[in-house]
Amino acid sequence: EVHLVESGGGLVKPGGSLRLSCAASGFTFSGYTMNWVRQAPGKGLEWVSSITRGSDYLYYAESLKGRITISRDDARNSLYLQMNSLRAEDTAVYYCARVVSTSTGDFDYWGQGTLVTVSS
Amino acid sequence: SYELTQPPSVSVSPGQTASIPCSGDKLGDKYVCWYQQRPGQSPLLVIYQDTRRPSGIPERFSGSNSGNTATLTISGTQAMDEADYYCLAWDSSTASYVFGTGTKVTVL
Repeated sequence: EVHLVESGGGLVKPGGSLRLSCAASGFTFSGYTMNWVRQAPGKGLEWVSSITRGSDYLYYAESLKGRITISRDDARNSLYLQMNSLRAEDTAVYYCARVVSTSTGDFDYWGQGTLVTVSS
Repeated sequence: SYELTQPPSVSVSPGQTASIPCSGDKLGDKYVCWYQQRPGQSPLLVIYQDTRRPSGIPERFSGSNSGNTATLTISGTQAMDEADYYCLAWDSSTASYVFGTGTKVTVL
């Protein structure tokens, strides 16, 4: 059974940094493009970043470029999101999700999310 | 940047049909997915590649995509279908995914 478990969220001050992790199991992690999607409290879904198999291509939401870095460790079946210079508007639940095909956007499995709160 | 627009809310009576539009420039040239999100839960894929249903998704969920509008249709709507629904497309020109603004479906 496919499982995605996010961790690393928490309370951080504005300007601070945080590294989110997503532990994958139940499938061949190295064979899939992985993604981060976030949802601010009471708001809609927002795509954050994608990383293809073998880390060949990295994609970022324009609004977050320069402040975030996506990476993966296929040996550890893990996905990461490094977030720097955090702002209050980055407060959200961050989900990791597997996508079957980049061009079709079918995120077929999602984690339960990890909450990031940016506040002084 | 590319945008996908959905109505904020749709109301439907039990057993009736709910239609949720998602509008974007030349959206019919892209593949569209639809996600259901119940309160406090992670999103769930209900339609992919415009019209396909993942295993386990009831047949009452269907999708279409043409011109500038994709539509998610829920036939014979049930109380359990009350949720937020989001469309999604990949914009190759900006190499980014775009979610729709989201629609809250209320089953009255």
